[in-house]
Amino acid sequence: ETGVTQTPRHLVMGMTNKKSLKCEQHLGHNAMYWYKQSAKKPLELMFVYNFKEQTENNSVPSRFSPECPNSSHLFLHLHTLQPEDSALYLCASSQDLRTTNEKLFFGSGTQLSVL
Amino acid sequence: AQKVTQAQTEISVVEKEDVTLDCVYETRDTTYYLFWYKQPPSGELVFLIRRNSFDEQNEISGRYSWNFQKSTSSFNFTITASQVVDSAVYFCALFLMDTGRRALTFGSGTRLQVQP
Repeated sequence: ETGVTQTPRHLVMGMTNKKSLKCEQHLGHNAMYWYKQSAKKPLELMFVYNFKEQTENNSVPSRFSPECPNSSHLFLHLHTLQPEDSALYLCASSQDLRTTNEKLFFGSGTQLSVL
Repeated sequence: AQKVTQAQTEISVVEKEDVTLDCVYETRDTTYYLFWYKQPPSGELVFLIRRNSFDEQNEISGRYSWNFQKSTSSFNFTITASQVVDSAVYFCALFLMDTGRRALTFGSGTRLQVQP
């Protein structure tokens, strides 16, 4: 079993749909992240949570709504997306933002296609 | 603002060749960490190495080696005697300690294809 599990692996949705991406980590970490990976662009940090509290929102449009009910689970709720939102969405976790041990563990991502 | 540049978009080599992946970073912070991650076709990024800004000692781990030069703001990664399994996208990343944003800034990645 991998440390960070993301579901679904693939998602196709229309612009009017509402869907959610799920991330679960089994590493006992306290910090969780959403990154967006578009073709030929650097990974873009979207959101950061530390001990269930959101510590960063990197100017992400409101059509993306994160939720962190506990330190092990992270969701990304999607609604009225645009075709340019098609990308690989990666979840990651790390021990704790307060430490210097910023080694991230990543999930395999959700490949999202918006039609 | 911090920035990581990986100028090589794609590199193709033949098995057993040595290959170096370049990484140049920009920051005004004095304390920071540099990372390399590997992203195989399965998608998840795999941690390879972390180096802090006060440690310029080069590191070797098996066929992998890293050359950190603060004077040129570079943190290059060399794979010796490349193998097909090394085919992946490699990301360089920067983590700042001095400023408020405690999260990794990634470069755009270098896709390495190792041909048999």
